[in-house]
Amino acid sequence: GAGVSQSPSNKVTEKGKDVELRCDPISGHTALYWYRQRLGQGLEFLIYFQGNSAPDKSGLPSDRFSAERTGESVSTLTIQRTQQEDSAVYLCASSLTGSGTEAFFGQGTRLTVV
Amino acid sequence: AQRVTQPEKLLSVFKGAPVELKCNYSYSGSPELFWYVQYSRQRLQLLLRHISRESIKGFTADLNKGETSFHLKKPFAQEEDSAMYYCALKGGGSNYKLTFGKGTLLTVNP
Repeated sequence: GAGVSQSPSNKVTEKGKDVELRCDPISGHTALYWYRQRLGQGLEFLIYFQGNSAPDKSGLPSDRFSAERTGESVSTLTIQRTQQEDSAVYLCASSLTGSGTEAFFGQGTRLTVV
Repeated sequence: AQRVTQPEKLLSVFKGAPVELKCNYSYSGSPELFWYVQYSRQRLQLLLRHISRESIKGFTADLNKGETSFHLKKPFAQEEDSAMYYCALKGGGSNYKLTFGKGTLLTVNP
């Protein structure tokens, strides 16, 4: 693919439901990041995958949030029992490793919890 | 721990005026610093990286290790520079975690 792809682009869900967000990184990119961007706020780090290393989950806001990545391919971010404060744009990015390498971002998934 | 601070949430200047977006960082090793930009309705994208010592769209940024800063500067702002700007830090060695500041919304008025 040409870039990082995220799906769905928009998701409206009822409070209490579970949602799953998907990220297809650029092929060959070993690093993958998830961020949250609330309305009017900056980028909030959620989780980071690097190759086969244990992911850095230090940014996940609660145990309702989890993410997986299979090898160096697709990643899914799951939010269980969604709350209204989970409403945000969820951004995924991927990069090569090495000095100076940039992160390429997806278009984001806009999640609205009603 | 990695930390990036952008003290200004909003910055407004007139066209042709100089602009400086501040960024300070905290990291114990030798980090890599980046500036990312998000124009309206577009994806977040890289503007420049300190390791390249480049000037992109008239913007420059110098890494000052003594002051732990990486401020973004442009001598003459243009209306098309209006966007959200994020400073980012990537750890060195085998740590490639990318940490962003909260961002600064730059508005260039005509």
